[in-house]
Amino acid sequence: QSVLTQPPSASGTPGQRVTISCSGSNSNIESNYVYWYQQLPGTAPKVLIYRNNQRPSGVPDRFSGSKSGASASLAISGLRSEDEADYYCAAWDDSLGGWVFGGGTKLTVL
Amino acid sequence: EVQLVESGGGLVEPGGSLRLSCAASGFTFSNAWMSWVRQAPGKGLEWVGRIRSKADGGATEYAAPMKGRFSISRDDSRNTLYLQMNSLRTEDTAVYYCLTEKYLSSWHLYWGQGTLVTVSS
Repeated sequence: QSVLTQPPSASGTPGQRVTISCSGSNSNIESNYVYWYQQLPGTAPKVLIYRNNQRPSGVPDRFSGSKSGASASLAISGLRSEDEADYYCAAWDDSLGGWVFGGGTKLTVL
Repeated sequence: EVQLVESGGGLVEPGGSLRLSCAASGFTFSNAWMSWVRQAPGKGLEWVGRIRSKADGGATEYAAPMKGRFSISRDDSRNTLYLQMNSLRTEDTAVYYCLTEKYLSSWHLYWGQGTLVTVSS
C-alpha cells in the first residue's frame, strides 16, 4: 500500500494528451514539492519533473507537472510510442520523515 | 559525464549481511546529498534512506522498515557511497539504486543502473 495514490494504468493514442494523477495528504504533497519519474522497461528511473513543475534540461516540454492542495498531476501532450513506460510520483513526507512514492502508473500508447 | 555505478549485490541468506557500494564520477560527490531507493521485482519504488553532504552536517535518515538494520555512509575521498545491510529478510529482495538526491540546483537527477540483492535460502 503506497502512501501516494496513482491509477495503476493509463492509455492514449499517439498525439493525444494524457494526465496521470497522484493523491497524497497534508504531510506530503500539500506541504512539499512533488517529483515525477519515468521508468522504461529494464532501466533506472529518470526524473521528469522536480519541484512540482520544473523540467530538468533535456526533458521535452511535452511533459508538465502541476499541484493543487494534496494532489498533483503529470500531463503528457503529443503522446508518442516511446512514452510507453511506468510513471511514479514522489514527495517528502513530514510525518514519516522520508520520501514516499506512488505505486506507479503503467502508460500504454495504443 | 556523470556516472553512478552500484556494486556488491548478490545472493544472501535470510539473516545475513551485505554491503553495497556506489562509485560516483563526473561531479563533485562531496557536495551531493545521496539517497538509496529500491525496487522489488515487479513492484514500485521505495525509498531506503539518505545521507547529507558533510557541509550540511552529514546526517543520515532512513525509512522505517530499514531503521536499525541498514546503515548509509560515504567516503568523499573515494567518491563512494555505501549501504550496509544487516539482518536481511526475504522482503529486502530488490534492485537497489543510488541517486543524487540534491546536487547544486538539481534534485534526483542522477541515478545508477542498480544492483540486485536477492535474499533467499
